[in-house]
Amino acid sequence: GAGVSQSPSNKVTEKGKDVELRCDPISGHTALYWYRQSLGQGLEFLIYFQGNSAPDKSGLPSDRFSAERTGGSVSTLTIQRTQQEDSAVYLCASSLSGGLGTDTQYFGPGTRLTVL
Amino acid sequence: DAKTTQPNSMESNEEEPVHLPCNHSTISGTDYIHWYRQLPSQGPEYVIHGLTSNVNNRMASLAIAEDRKSSTLILHRATLRDAAVYYCILKSGNTPLVFGKGTRLSVIA
Repeated sequence: GAGVSQSPSNKVTEKGKDVELRCDPISGHTALYWYRQSLGQGLEFLIYFQGNSAPDKSGLPSDRFSAERTGGSVSTLTIQRTQQEDSAVYLCASSLSGGLGTDTQYFGPGTRLTVL
Repeated sequence: DAKTTQPNSMESNEEEPVHLPCNHSTISGTDYIHWYRQLPSQGPEYVIHGLTSNVNNRMASLAIAEDRKSSTLILHRATLRDAAVYYCILKSGNTPLVFGKGTRLSVIA
């Protein structure tokens, strides 16, 4: 079946512009996660959606970052007034339930964001 | 967050077994041990997970110490396609994955 898809695969933007990154999770997965990976750095959690619950935004680095998940499916990560330090690969993952220690996350290929 | 410790890098010859260690001395009773790997220029990929007993799947085996303070991911025959960063992660309940630096595995032909 179809895995997690993300678009665009690459995005180049100028400092100060807003960007939107899209994630299509696996159908039926109730949990959705955003992570980012800066060059040479580890994976950093950003935000987590679980069903209809309020999202866990504890990983968002600043108020310039926000995310939505419409209809419990597609999610959009928005970065306002982008800065050069926002350059990274943004990864989306989904899982069946999210609430269990056994839950497996499936990752998309990522969106590589470059802020000039 | 429960933490794990892994060697920064390991090297293996192709078609040899590889044992990737992970220490997690502060593991709690509800923590599952998960392994993910990240191939170059790709998103992470689930490998295996376990709680107390050793586990096998088509990709690898997971050996868990009796006191659960350490575990070992075993690749039975390393191939060039297994070259990746391997992450050992503890997960319980409603939490996202917390990735450390992982172990970079190099496979030599």
